[in-house]
Amino acid sequence: SQTIHQWPATLVQPVGSPLSLECTVEGTSNPNLYWYRQAAGRGLQLLFYSVGIGQISSEVPQNLSASRPQDRQFILSSKKLLLSDSGFYLCAWSVQGGMGNTIYFGEGSWLTVV
Amino acid sequence: AQRVTQPEKLLSVFKGAPVELKCNYSYSGSPELFWYVQYSRQRLQLLLRHISRESIKGFTADLNKGETSFHLKKPFAQEEDSAMYYCALKGGYQKVTFGTGTKLQVIP
Repeated sequence: SQTIHQWPATLVQPVGSPLSLECTVEGTSNPNLYWYRQAAGRGLQLLFYSVGIGQISSEVPQNLSASRPQDRQFILSSKKLLLSDSGFYLCAWSVQGGMGNTIYFGEGSWLTVV
Repeated sequence: AQRVTQPEKLLSVFKGAPVELKCNYSYSGSPELFWYVQYSRQRLQLLLRHISRESIKGFTADLNKGETSFHLKKPFAQEEDSAMYYCALKGGYQKVTFGTGTKLQVIP
């Protein structure tokens, strides 16, 4: 069966420090991968998505970046965190192609920038 | 561009009353529409998808391309339906966009 792991679960970082959130999917190959930020009143904001290694689509110009160094690994990064980067980040995956494919979410990472 | 709009942040209904959670979308192609649900302290999970035309936990949703809507309905609300509901649209290039969510509160 397929699983998705996301870490760390909780992170407290000072302003100006770097960020690295990692996400790994197991039990499937060539998945679509997504990074979302979930905020009260703003729902799920799509940040980045990827349909293959090295292929990253950015949805929101911001202080964050994403990379996909391996087929089932998706990393969310920042060189210098801002206070406004605080939030709950969700990694997700789905099967490529076809119709009606479900998105499966990780457990999420709480980021607090202080 | 693709967009999903859920106009209600909070919907409160009494147990046994009908429920309708609204979802409107904007997309120039043929969309795939989904409803996801997040129960307290659980992960987001799929509730239903338009392509399956299914009823899950008594919920149904019909894609209305003329009105660009995909409203979620249930004839009789139950307390265990209380949760956060998100409408989602899958458009081109595997991009999946979610709405802002509606919190459903079922009052006993």
